[in-house]
Amino acid sequence: DIQMTQSPSTLSASVGDRVTITCRASQSISSWLAWYQQKPGKAPKLLIYAASSLESGVPSRFSGSRSGTEFTLTISSLQPDDFATYYCQQYITYWTFGQGTKVEIK
Amino acid sequence: EVQLVESGGGLVQPGGSLRLSCAASGFTFSSYSMDWVRQAPGKGLEWVSYISSSGTTVYYADSVKGRFTISRDNAKNSLYLQMNSLRAEDTAVYYCARGVVAGLVYFDYWGQGTLLTVSS
Repeated sequence: DIQMTQSPSTLSASVGDRVTITCRASQSISSWLAWYQQKPGKAPKLLIYAASSLESGVPSRFSGSRSGTEFTLTISSLQPDDFATYYCQQYITYWTFGQGTKVEIK
Repeated sequence: EVQLVESGGGLVQPGGSLRLSCAASGFTFSSYSMDWVRQAPGKGLEWVSYISSSGTTVYYADSVKGRFTISRDNAKNSLYLQMNSLRAEDTAVYYCARGVVAGLVYFDYWGQGTLLTVSS
């Protein structure tokens, strides 16, 4: 099974900060990785697919990148609406999520 | 507008059964694969099951294999999850999600979820 490991588990940041979340796959998944945002009591929302492709309607402050089996979600300037939990997901072999990164107000 | 609306959750005793439904609208349901994903209280997301657009191919997570059955009715724009031999660890919010095929499948739209509680 492919394991996805996110770091950090919790991140404290302020509005306007540049935020980076990392996700590491236990084996090669090429660029078959998605990022989702989830707010309390709500369904996950797709942000990024294919490691770096921005889903339609998602603000351009969100971006994704890949280096080998390490993937990064970056929020260039954190906005009040961005405080949420973020999950990575591999979709090369079935589907596996990372454990989540909660972005909270500093 | 794409809409996915789950229903059928509730309180069930261990060993019991329940069927979840997901009503789809706003897109050509028969053209998309669908999945169930669950989230235990305060925990992360766990993929549960996949069904192809035609219903001919299905996959299950090891944690539910042999107990859960996914199905769909394209004429009714509906997805189902039959859950048998339920355990306390099946307690979760269950989401249906639409699969997008772009090489491989990821999920672009999710329903609001339905809560299953397995407890005596």
